[in-house]
Amino acid sequence: NAGVTQTPKFQVLKTGQSMTLQCAQDMNHEYMSWYRQDPGMGLRLIHYSVGAGITDQGEVPNGYNVSRSTTEDFPLRLLSAAPSQTSVYFCASSYHTVQNTEAFFGQGTRLTVV
Amino acid sequence: GDSVTQMEGPVTLSEEAFLTINCTYTATGYPSLFWYVQYPGEGLQLLLKATKADDKGSNKGFEATYRKETTSFHLEKGSVQVSDSAVYFCALRSIGTASKLTFGTGTRLQVTL
Repeated sequence: NAGVTQTPKFQVLKTGQSMTLQCAQDMNHEYMSWYRQDPGMGLRLIHYSVGAGITDQGEVPNGYNVSRSTTEDFPLRLLSAAPSQTSVYFCASSYHTVQNTEAFFGQGTRLTVV
Repeated sequence: GDSVTQMEGPVTLSEEAFLTINCTYTATGYPSLFWYVQYPGEGLQLLLKATKADDKGSNKGFEATYRKETTSFHLEKGSVQVSDSAVYFCALRSIGTASKLTFGTGTRLQVTL
């Protein structure tokens, strides 16, 4: 059982470049989300999805796009990378509308924008 | 809106010492409460949870009790080990928030021999 798989684990981008962080889960979870982790700020929600074809903004959505064409995949796109997007990114999945359900996290992507 | 406040770290303890990491929350209604742990270089994983007032979550020697009267969910362990060194996050999920988790800022624990 793979759980939540994120790729790549590390990435260095130049300012203005674009890239896509991949996230896939094999638990048939409806709910998927992307967080960024910065020192002293915990995890902040970027975007989330409650099912295929449905996405919404979280706390810090600017500079990021998402789509959800299948239940399994939830890629995060940076269209024009900025140094402020240097962070560690985590994808998570869980069942939807089950308040006490556990969220499963990927291993993270450490992104550096120079 | 929902919020979680954790004690700032880092917390440095000797092996076998008693651990408390404070967590308080603000939320409407009766949220579910969680502690997640992040070991170096890894993602977060659930440590324990509690879903209603006075529930006690426990796992791997860690415990936390859902205290509605003080809106708290403090993490405790009677005797820490070097392998417990990690970052600990308190989190909540409220009804009607589309399954969103709200996290505290995390508390880094370092245990030394």
